[in-house]
Amino acid sequence: DQQVKQNSPSLSVQEGRISILNCDYTNSMFDYFLWYKKYPAEGPTFLISISSIKDKNEDGRFTVFLNKSAKHLSLHIVPSQPGDSAVYFCAARGYNFNKFYFGSGTKLNVKP
Amino acid sequence: DTEVTQTPKHLVMGMTNKKSLKCEQHMGHRAMYWYKQKAKKPPELMFVYSYEKLSINESVPSRFSPECPNSSLLNLHLHALQPEDSALYLCASSQEATAGGNNEQFFGPGTRLTVL
Repeated sequence: DQQVKQNSPSLSVQEGRISILNCDYTNSMFDYFLWYKKYPAEGPTFLISISSIKDKNEDGRFTVFLNKSAKHLSLHIVPSQPGDSAVYFCAARGYNFNKFYFGSGTKLNVKP
Repeated sequence: DTEVTQTPKHLVMGMTNKKSLKCEQHMGHRAMYWYKQKAKKPPELMFVYSYEKLSINESVPSRFSPECPNSSLLNLHLHALQPEDSALYLCASSQEATAGGNNEQFFGPGTRLTVL
């Protein structure tokens, strides 16, 4: 059973608007959460992370929000750009600090 | 240098062949990983090496044999694979994690493996 879930396989957004990608997890022991971006024929690229002791982390156009009580995190991209079109994976770190659990990904399409 | 390199990019092999996938990083990372990824699925952890010692084996069949010759190199030896093993094989590296510390992974571009 997947412990990290991304329930939206795809999302389409107009350039300049906000993109919101969502991720849910089941294990309350996860202590660190990450977002990766993946272009076709490339490996995932680290985007932004958040520790479980925080509820928000911001890096330029990217902000990650963590709601521990709901076991939910989201990635906001503002403003969205066509170059942001990619598959976005969320991941969570388990009790073994070298073990990460990945969601199934959301394909974001930013339309010009 | 923040790059993880993987060779080959593509590999086609028969079920009786023996081949190896190679991964290299020069970021001084002491944790290295092998993942398998099927189409439209998340990366699936196979092995983790920490300080050149195997620390996690996710019950991977013995036809996959990992090796970490030194802190910069990671190999995956393949033997007697099945067609269902066809997938993208991703290598990653990270700093060794501590409680509360950040250890985001740097991924290579992957090897696209096809088993005939």
